[in-house]
Amino acid sequence: EAEVAQSPRYKITEKSQAVAFWCDPISGHATLYWYRQILGQGPELLVQFQDESVVDDSQLPKDRFSAERLKGVDSTLKIQPAELGDSAMYLCASSLDGHTGELFFGEGSRLTVL
Amino acid sequence: AQSVTQPDIHITVSEGASLELRCNYSYGATPYLFWYVQSPGQGLQLLLKYFSGDTLVQGIKGFEAEFKRSQSSFNLRKPSVHWSDAAEYFCAVGASGTYKYIFGTGTRLKVLA
Repeated sequence: EAEVAQSPRYKITEKSQAVAFWCDPISGHATLYWYRQILGQGPELLVQFQDESVVDDSQLPKDRFSAERLKGVDSTLKIQPAELGDSAMYLCASSLDGHTGELFFGEGSRLTVL
Repeated sequence: AQSVTQPDIHITVSEGASLELRCNYSYGATPYLFWYVQSPGQGLQLLLKYFSGDTLVQGIKGFEAEFKRSQSSFNLRKPSVHWSDAAEYFCAVGASGTYKYIFGTGTRLKVLA
């Protein structure tokens, strides 16, 4: 069964360092989402792509976070510089076209900022 | 704007007992509604979804949910809980057109043997 791939699974970094997360959605899925999940809370949308275009990045802290999906396939989420409050699980999800509604999630990237 | 409320942070049930997890949503039109389950350290897996039609929706692992428009609710139920159901459960609402999905804060289920 096709899956959403994410890497790395775990990342420990010191504050002020740069970190990057990668996501490869299920082949053919046009819509890609990055969510942040703080321990004990629900996922919060950071950015939504439709193909290579950003549809919604209203909750992305743009002073330190950036996201791209250059060829409309895989995507990278970057944080620079990392802060203590960025410690969280970063989840990538994809959807065929948004209309069917089901999001397929990767296993996530757990970030710890020291 | 969309919003989702899961009133119960933690629920503990005995194995074999019935389960109901509550979800209330706010959305101006008919929403897309979902329940996802998350095991520790893992991503989210879809249990079931409601778009339209029959308000009682069947999902995987023996779960079902009922959409009640008058109460703005989409509660998840299971008649007999298994120890393997221990996990965190998230209700989500999706907006047609924008395909933006908002998640609740989750309910952590503990199952007693």
